[in-house]
Amino acid sequence: DVKVTQSSRYLVKRTGEKVFLECVQDMDHENMFWYRQDPGLGLRLIYFSYDVKMKEKGDIPEGYSVSREKKERFSLILESASTNQTSMYLCASSPRKTLLYNEQFFGPGTRLTVL
Amino acid sequence: GNSVTQMEGPVTLSEEAFLTINCTYTATGYPSLFWYVQYPGEGLQLLLKATKADDKGSNKGFEATYRKETTSFHLEKGSVQVSDSAVYFCALSGNTGGFKTIFGAGTRLFVKA
Repeated sequence: DVKVTQSSRYLVKRTGEKVFLECVQDMDHENMFWYRQDPGLGLRLIYFSYDVKMKEKGDIPEGYSVSREKKERFSLILESASTNQTSMYLCASSPRKTLLYNEQFFGPGTRLTVL
Repeated sequence: GNSVTQMEGPVTLSEEAFLTINCTYTATGYPSLFWYVQYPGEGLQLLLKATKADDKGSNKGFEATYRKETTSFHLEKGSVQVSDSAVYFCALSGNTGGFKTIFGAGTRLFVKA
């Protein structure tokens, strides 16, 4: 069964802390993505990666960085957490294949609260 | 650029009612279109997809037809159940957007027994 796992379901951090969100997929997918989900705004892409050690900025990269040292793992880093980063964070992966059928597989999400 | 617009929710229906959630898109060329569903406390999962004009995607009683002439991909179900209560996202991918997927804002559906 296809699986994307995220390190935590719920996380509470303080302003200024460095926060790591981990995502692991077991499908040997090339592409991995980080989104944040906020009410009324849908999903917004933060960063994505086409391959190991490669990363591309999404639509809202400010305040975030990422790391992809291994194919199966994609980490999202909040260098100095702020209250406006309180959100649901979703990780997804997809196979490279072709541009069509580009279905994404999602993890369960991490609900991050920054106090 | 590419974009997806879907009807605002929440949508509240009684069990066995007919469901339509409207979705329109803006894109050049021929993107693939998707509906994803998010049940409470979970991530998104693919509900159905269509990759070319006039294709009909279907799954679990849900259907959507890729209409290029109206740039629409409306989601329908003939008889909803309480277990269909979830948030539904229309999305497009491929085309000039590369591997990125563009999501609509989501429509929350409540089904009452």
